[in-house]
Amino acid sequence: KQEVTQIPAALSVPEGENLVLNCSFTDSAIYNLQWFRQDPGKGLTSLLLIQSSQREQTSGRLNASLDKSSGRSTLYIAASQPGDSATYLCAGQDGSSNTGKLIFGQGTTLQVKP
Amino acid sequence: GAVVSQHPSRVICKSGTSVKIECRSLDFQATTMFWYRQFPKQSLMLMATSNEGSKATYEQGVEKDKFLINHASLTLSTLTVTSAHPEDSSFYICSASQTGQGGTIFGQGTRLTVV
Repeated sequence: KQEVTQIPAALSVPEGENLVLNCSFTDSAIYNLQWFRQDPGKGLTSLLLIQSSQREQTSGRLNASLDKSSGRSTLYIAASQPGDSATYLCAGQDGSSNTGKLIFGQGTTLQVKP
Repeated sequence: GAVVSQHPSRVICKSGTSVKIECRSLDFQATTMFWYRQFPKQSLMLMATSNEGSKATYEQGVEKDKFLINHASLTLSTLTVTSAHPEDSSFYICSASQTGQGGTIFGQGTRLTVV
């Protein structure tokens, strides 16, 4: 059974810092891995999707990597801003097909201080 | 782009009543939708897979008679919390995937408070 873990649970950094959020999963047979952002009381916004055959994806100041052999994914945020403060969730989709069923990590709550 | 719309965003109900939450895929058809539940400061837990035209598939520990799911069309799935109790208070969120696309799109979520 796939399990997804995120470290750290919370992170506070000063504005402008580069930071890395970590996500690990137990089963390398992962279809894809997706990073989401969740603001308090809100739904999820998809940030980056890494397909099983890919190793990384980039969008603006965000870069996500996927290493299936080690069961890890990282989300790199460059030049952090107060507006980046939110909870970041990674989620893996099991199996060999696009079922849409996701297993979530516990999330990392990020605070970027001005 | 593709959007999943969830309604209502917030609902307060009395204990013992039932509440229906709607999840609609806009501009795309979704044969499968998913319902998740999120307790405060916790992650999302999958409750059930909603299948258009057939019965939903529930995750272990989720009561199918309490959480009724109906997926009558390719763009609409509904979750009804029956005989709600305060412990059912939570954030419920649905998702769908576009055929041929890898990513999952989430609705805005529904904050249910049972008093």
